[in-house]
Amino acid sequence: SQQGEEDPQALSIQEGENATMNCSYKTSINNLQWYRQNSGRGLVHLILIRSNEREKHSGRLRVTLDTSKKSSSLLITASRAADTASYFCATALTGNTGKLIFGQGTTLQVKP
Amino acid sequence: DAGVIQSPRHEVTEMGQEVTLRCKPISGHNSLFWYRQTMMRGLELLIYFNNNVPIDDSGMPEDRFSAKMPNASFSTLKIQPSEPRDSAVYFCASSLGGTSGSSDTQYFGPGTRLTVL
Repeated sequence: SQQGEEDPQALSIQEGENATMNCSYKTSINNLQWYRQNSGRGLVHLILIRSNEREKHSGRLRVTLDTSKKSSSLLITASRAADTASYFCATALTGNTGKLIFGQGTTLQVKP
Repeated sequence: DAGVIQSPRHEVTEMGQEVTLRCKPISGHNSLFWYRQTMMRGLELLIYFNNNVPIDDSGMPEDRFSAKMPNASFSTLKIQPSEPRDSAVYFCASSLGGTSGSSDTQYFGPGTRLTVL
């Protein structure tokens, strides 16, 4: 089964609303990352949160990490149509192998 | 910085033909990753290299797939012979590598969309 599982699989909201995506994982991690993928493009790194951090902000993005529940959430505030994309969480497992395990992604549609 | 460069961007070939995908990682990055993305299976890691050495190729589907990294600035993924089920978008990504947590951050190329008829 997947190391990173995300929910919901798809999310549709109106511009200006907040979008929340969740990610759960199974094993110990060094850090957890969120990536965005626009249609037909490669993935773009958004934010990284280390295992000893609980919350991180970057612009309109807020990421939380709960290592006791092995879960993370990505909140996009005041969404814009340009936020329409797929969002993936990726976990870097302990051991510093450099390998990331990606979830299946959440497809976000922001309607203008 | 030009980012990760992949070529070709699109490839259409016939079943049985050899396909070679190319990747130039970001200069100074020590780790390189090849992924395949399909609607059915999502994003799959095929193989990754550290300092030009293959570390984990457990994701390579079968012997028809091979990857090389002859130097720090170039890698190839070859499929021979190709089959229709190989149709997918293939991404190359690179990262700094090393022991710092942030060195895990991966930078993706634009991908190669492969169609095998």
